[in-house]
Amino acid sequence: GQNIDQPTEMTATEGAIVQINCTYQTSGFNGLFWYQQHAGEAPTFLSYNVLDGLEEKGRFSSFLSRSKGYSYLLLKELQMKDSASYLCAVRDGTGGFKTIFGAGTRLFVKA
Amino acid sequence: GAGVSQSPRYKVTKRGQDVALRCDPISGHVSLYWYRQALGQGPEFLTYFNYEAQQDKSGLPNDRFSAERPEGSISTLTIQRTEQRDSAMYRCASSLEGGTSTYEQYFGPGTRLTVT
Repeated sequence: GQNIDQPTEMTATEGAIVQINCTYQTSGFNGLFWYQQHAGEAPTFLSYNVLDGLEEKGRFSSFLSRSKGYSYLLLKELQMKDSASYLCAVRDGTGGFKTIFGAGTRLFVKA
Repeated sequence: GAGVSQSPRYKVTKRGQDVALRCDPISGHVSLYWYRQALGQGPEFLTYFNYEAQQDKSGLPNDRFSAERPEGSISTLTIQRTEQRDSAMYRCASSLEGGTSTYEQYFGPGTRLTVT
């Protein structure tokens, strides 16, 4: 089957660092995405990992371990505007490029 | 440049009616995805096109749902004989694919469908 797990909610303080974890079990794997979605808006792309390791992009970093079926999104120097849902998604490479999304982690950033 | 557009943005229909939801992807984008998103959940995959070919329709809930992309650009998701359980946000996304692409999907604003 296909399953993507991530925490439902997290709370962090402005200026701090937060790590959002994602574990996945899919029939195929051709990359993992992280998207940000503010309430009432469309998801927007943050990162894509297809090889093991850490990808850094400004305040955001994403890590992948394919052998463990595990990824995390690291947000540094948190700002109030980072309050949003963070969606982990796996690109299933078996027979196509179906993309499976997790339910999302709602991050609340407090002052 | 223009992003992904969807129309209508809101659709209220009576149970049993057919609806057609339109997606206009970013020009030149090869791949097009349809998703359904419930409140507080991630997008649920429905179907995927590569150019005009429907490569994966495994997420379509039943045979009342169909999609097409006849010229490899605009796509239509059709729901026949709508039921109240079809009420949801329907999102379309497009992707450039290939080469050095990160396969990033650009999402449209969605169509909020309400079946009464």
